[in-house]
Amino acid sequence: NAGVTQTPKFRVLKTGQSMTLLCAQDMNHEYMYWYRQDPGMGLRLIHYSVGEGTTAKGEVPDGYNVSRLKKQNFLLGLESAAPSQTSVYFCASSLRAAYADNEQFFGPGTRLTVL
Amino acid sequence: QQQVKQSPQSLIVQKGGIPIINCAYENTAFDYFPWYQQFPGKGPALLIAIRPDVSEKKEGRFTISFNKSAKQFSLHIMDSQPGDSATYFCAASIAGGTSYGKLTFGQGTILTVHP
Repeated sequence: NAGVTQTPKFRVLKTGQSMTLLCAQDMNHEYMYWYRQDPGMGLRLIHYSVGEGTTAKGEVPDGYNVSRLKKQNFLLGLESAAPSQTSVYFCASSLRAAYADNEQFFGPGTRLTVL
Repeated sequence: QQQVKQSPQSLIVQKGGIPIINCAYENTAFDYFPWYQQFPGKGPALLIAIRPDVSEKKEGRFTISFNKSAKQFSLHIMDSQPGDSATYFCAASIAGGTSYGKLTFGQGTILTVHP
């Protein structure tokens, strides 16, 4: 199993450009999450999905959109990138939210720089 | 609004020392408290987790101590090794229900273990 994979690994954008980050998991997990990691701020939840076709806002959703058309994929879009969106983005998935299954498995991250 | 506060921001110990990382939370509804370990260039990975019905959990050299009345929990690493050098995140969530396992992370602690 590959676990959680993210594409691309690195990206540099100019202000105003758009892009899509792809997350894929092969563990048949129901829940998927997008986080951003910034120094001194830990990981903050952007959006999440509790199943195919569903999405919901997290703590810092502004400037981002998501889609989950297939259970194994969760896409994060930036329509008009801003320098404040320079960050490392992590995707995670979990089987479900019950205690024993609450472990979130993280991808390797995408480092995004917006100039 | 930071619901989970983590300290210290960085920590340096000698091999064999016992680093301690502390976290405090505000939301009394939290009922699942995991610790994640992150190596440079990698995504976080679950290290150990605890529920509030126990005061301590030990897995190998890693121990979580939990104080429900004080709303605090901490990670102790016994006999620390250079390979333990990483960033450690505490987190909290409300397992099950409509919280969907969303994790609230602390700010992170960069641990360096010198040989």
